[in-house]
Amino acid sequence: QVQLQQSGPGLVKPSQTLSLTCAISGDSVSSKNAAWNWIRQSPSRGLEWLGRTYYRSKWYNEYAVSVKNRITIKPDTSKNQFSLQLNFVIPEDTAVYYCVTGDGVLGFWGQGTLVTVSS
Amino acid sequence: QSVLTQPPSASGAPGQRVTISCSGSSSNIGRDYVSWLQQLPGTTPKLLIYRNNQRPSGVPDRFSGSKSGTSASLAISGLRSEDEADYYCATWDDSLSAWVFGGGTKLTVL
Repeated sequence: QVQLQQSGPGLVKPSQTLSLTCAISGDSVSSKNAAWNWIRQSPSRGLEWLGRTYYRSKWYNEYAVSVKNRITIKPDTSKNQFSLQLNFVIPEDTAVYYCVTGDGVLGFWGQGTLVTVSS
Repeated sequence: QSVLTQPPSASGAPGQRVTISCSGSSSNIGRDYVSWLQQLPGTTPKLLIYRNNQRPSGVPDRFSGSKSGTSASLAISGLRSEDEADYYCATWDDSLSAWVFGGGTKLTVL
């Protein structure tokens, strides 16, 4: 059973960088079957997929168009985790952020982190 | 505005059967598997149905999914009070190269 444990600050100032980490147990970030996603949820935008990283003989990244210029998702094989960085945040980036994984499905979810963008 | 279209609400009495629809297009539901997520009040979304009609272990067979063309449906039979939740459909969109979601359907058990 895969378990995901999120960590990171819950308050970020406008124009700064949002950084979250997702620690993996029960699987490897280098698995050739899984993808490692970040999804956020807010009342105004609903569920919104932000991007993913995955390993298929080499590393791949895919990002949502809405955040493509501001986002980086990186694996950390030494710690078996992956991270989200979202630059130049604005109040509209306030949401609950989830790390999510599965074999072609969104099967396992982290506990969620409420991130508020406010000065 | 969500890529997939769901009714905002649905309701039924205990024991009844309720169906929730999800409408998409040829670039998403028409091409790929549909999943359904259940989000109980104040909790994290949970995978309820995957690959159109498959249930993860532990999900009761009262929950079933189907797909036809560019639409999908979630059916819940023998409705129970603990089924009150928000339900979301999800799939991969080949044109957007992104997971896309419905806006969610709030199910009320009367």
